[in-house]
Amino acid sequence: EAGVAQSPRYKIIEKRQSVAFWCNPISGHATLYWYQQILGQGPKLLIQFQNNGVVDDSQLPKDRFSAERLKGVDSTLKIQPAKLEDSAVYLCASSSSDPTWDTQYFGPGTRLTVL
Amino acid sequence: DQQVKQNSPSLSVQEGRISILNCDYTNSMFDYFLWYKKYPAEGPTFLISISSIKDKNEDGRFTVFLNKSAKHLSLHIVPSQPGDSAVYFCAASAGNNDMRFGAGTRLTVKP
Repeated sequence: EAGVAQSPRYKIIEKRQSVAFWCNPISGHATLYWYQQILGQGPKLLIQFQNNGVVDDSQLPKDRFSAERLKGVDSTLKIQPAKLEDSAVYLCASSSSDPTWDTQYFGPGTRLTVL
Repeated sequence: DQQVKQNSPSLSVQEGRISILNCDYTNSMFDYFLWYKKYPAEGPTFLISISSIKDKNEDGRFTVFLNKSAKHLSLHIVPSQPGDSAVYFCAASAGNNDMRFGAGTRLTVKP
């Protein structure tokens, strides 16, 4: 079974530029998550989708971050414009249709460096 | 608001000995706890979990203990192997799969 795919793996941009990350979850997984992991910290949830609907985006900085999951499969996370403090690893995870107890499976992440 | 804390940023043990990684939480609504393992340049990988109705869960060399009254859980690895060297994250959920992670503990197992 293929795991969670993410691209690109690395991205370097200058502040105020825009950037987008892509995620393809495990086949059949209805729930998709985007996390931000700053160096030295644990992952922090940004947004959670159930199929193509948003379940929780309370920690997403909506003035600059946006995410979508059209058709309930792939997802993109966008930052526009980027700030220096957005430098982090952006992790995508997915889990099956039961959100209560199910294990989240993570992709390899995209390491973003904002200069 | 750090609801899940891993107070030891690093731990070093000798191969064959026991590794004990600790985690404390503050939110009494958490009812599901997980440990993830992370190698460099990879995403976290699920290791073991425990629900609040249990106080122990074992899977091979890995055992997780939960002390609800102390709001504390620990991961025991016996015996430790060099391949266990990684960063270990503790995570907790209040039933909606909104997981809160600790900052991680870097385990080094020396041959």
